[in-house]
Amino acid sequence: DAMVIQNPRYQVTQFGKPVTLSCSQTLNHNVMYWYQQKSSQAPKLLFHYYDKDFNNEADTPDNFQSRRPNTSFCFLDIRSPGLGDAAMYLCATSREQGSYNEQFFGPGTRLTVL
Amino acid sequence: GQNIDQPTEMTATEGAIVQINCTYQTSGFNGLFWYQQHAGEAPTFLSYNVLDGLEEKGRFSSFLSRSKGYSYLLLKELQMKDSASYLCAVMDSNYQLIWGAGTKLIIKP
Repeated sequence: DAMVIQNPRYQVTQFGKPVTLSCSQTLNHNVMYWYQQKSSQAPKLLFHYYDKDFNNEADTPDNFQSRRPNTSFCFLDIRSPGLGDAAMYLCATSREQGSYNEQFFGPGTRLTVL
Repeated sequence: GQNIDQPTEMTATEGAIVQINCTYQTSGFNGLFWYQQHAGEAPTFLSYNVLDGLEEKGRFSSFLSRSKGYSYLLLKELQMKDSASYLCAVMDSNYQLIWGAGTKLIIKP
């Protein structure tokens, strides 16, 4: 089945210790997104890629970086995690940007910062 | 600024009907999405409206009025598995999704 896969599902890190979250997709979609979602809040867009064109949201902290080495894979790097970065991180894809393009989500990675 | 409003929480009875409202103010409009999200899981797509009117998909229907900046999601014949959060999201003029915080729906037997 075509899908969006995220690894790991649960990640525990220590305050200040870098962590990398990964996302892969078999949908062959052009656009990939990284969202941060805290409990009972709306998902917050961190980055998106249209093919290899990188788009950083204006209020995404410098502590967050992203890489998309090829169409199928995308990575989220958190350089120095703080307690406030504990959240669910969601990867999503869409075929194109524009109307009629729903986003397909992976299962998410729940990050705990000790 | 851009804003999506939906009730924080609603309670309904198994077998009944519930309507979840969403109002929005965004920079441009390229469609409105409803997603379902079970606790601890990722959102899953339910419906998309870009033209005014009602879209029906099984037990779920979604309505849009662009002139009023208003949508609702109607769930019929409620089942216990419908207990989840329902997120309204609007695609703005830059084709970015502006998300609401979600409505937590509690179904009671």
